[in-house]
This record gives sequence, structure tokens and C-alpha cells, in this order.
Amino acid sequence: AQSVAQPEDQVNVAEGNPLTVKCTYSVSGNPYLFWYVQYPNRGLQFLLKYITGDNLVKGSYGFEAEFNKSQTSFHLKKPSALVSDSALYFCAVRDRWAGSYQLTFGKGTKLSVIP
Amino acid sequence: DAGVTQSPTHLIKTRGQHVTLRCSPISGHKSVSWYQQVLGQGPQFIFQYYEKEERGRGNFPDRFSARQFPNYSSELNVNALLLGDSALYLCASSLGVIDGYTFGSGTRLTVV
Repeated sequence: AQSVAQPEDQVNVAEGNPLTVKCTYSVSGNPYLFWYVQYPNRGLQFLLKYITGDNLVKGSYGFEAEFNKSQTSFHLKKPSALVSDSALYFCAVRDRWAGSYQLTFGKGTKLSVIP
Repeated sequence: DAGVTQSPTHLIKTRGQHVTLRCSPISGHKSVSWYQQVLGQGPQFIFQYYEKEERGRGNFPDRFSARQFPNYSSELNVNALLLGDSALYLCASSLGVIDGYTFGSGTRLTVV
């Protein structure tokens, strides 16, 4: 079984400040990890993924995430937040050795960047 | 290149009716998955198809069914609609095993 926890329903940050959106996961084997962003009444947009290799993954729009195997975490970060980053963020996991491509999503974290 | 396209964008149905949702994957993508997103929740996996074969099924009742066609497009069918089926239904396509999914904009289904 695989699961994802996003412990914060909402994160508020001032424009220009660094932001972090937290994610922890659980899988039987090794994980593939993903971050998606969702704007109101829209589908999900891919931000970045961790497959293997360097634990620091860089993605779209200046976002990055750090894979920490010992803490089973994959937190999303950005050095300087923009008002336009305000959206709903989802972390997702897939077990690398599972036969299905099923992604398991967290419940989402609403990010509000305050001008 | 066109992204993942879903139709219709919005739909209103009455309890007990049947609905068919459609999805066209990105050209070359052979895997299509369906997700249900209830307001305030993360997407929940319904089905995954690869090369026209079902490769995974989530914890949904038998009222939900799907299929994938030779051109890799897909349909999601829901019978005997319930109020609780009201949600955003998302289709996603993927090129291969380690690629991220590309999601469509979804179909907003409202059951009244």
C-alpha cells in the first residue's frame, strides 16, 4: 500500500519570502514522487518529479523539492514566493515496483502568497 | 501539440442516470488513467489502462467502468448516478513507466 500525507491544509507566506510545502510518503518499495499544482476550476499541472539520482530536484516556475529517504519526505520549496504561486499543491507517490501506474495523492495544501 | 483533452467540460445529470466521459491522450501516450476529485480532496484513482488493457482499478463500485480504444482514447462510464458522484473527473496520460502524468482540465459532473 502507498500513502501520502500533507500535514498542512494551508500555508501562508509573504511575497518574496521562501516557501515550503510539506509532504511525507509511505510505500512498500522505492518511490516515484511528484508535485502538481492546481488552479481554481482547472486540472493538475506537473511541477517536478523524483525518480532516482540527485536528491534535490528542480522543476517548473522556480520550484524545487528535496527527497529525504530516511525521513520519507519530499518537501516542495521556492526561494522567493510570488503572488501568482497562490494555488492548491498536491504531492503524489507511486511505488516503483508496482505493476500499476496508479498515483496516490495527498489531500492538498492551499498556498496563499500575501502581497 | 495538443495536451490531454476531455469532453464535456461540464455536465449536469439526474440521480439514476448514466454518464459517459471521454478522454484523448497526448499523441504517442499509450497509458490513460482516470481520477475522481471531490471538492476539497486530492484526486482518487479509478482506473488505469495501458495498451487497451486494464492495469489497475481503484476502490470504486462496479457502477464505474472504462475502456480504451485502439487509438488510445478512453471512456469512463458511470451507471445509476448518485449525488456523491458529483466531482471533477480527471484523465491523465503517460508515455512510459517513469514519466509524470499529464492531466486534462477535467469534466465537472454535477448530479442533482
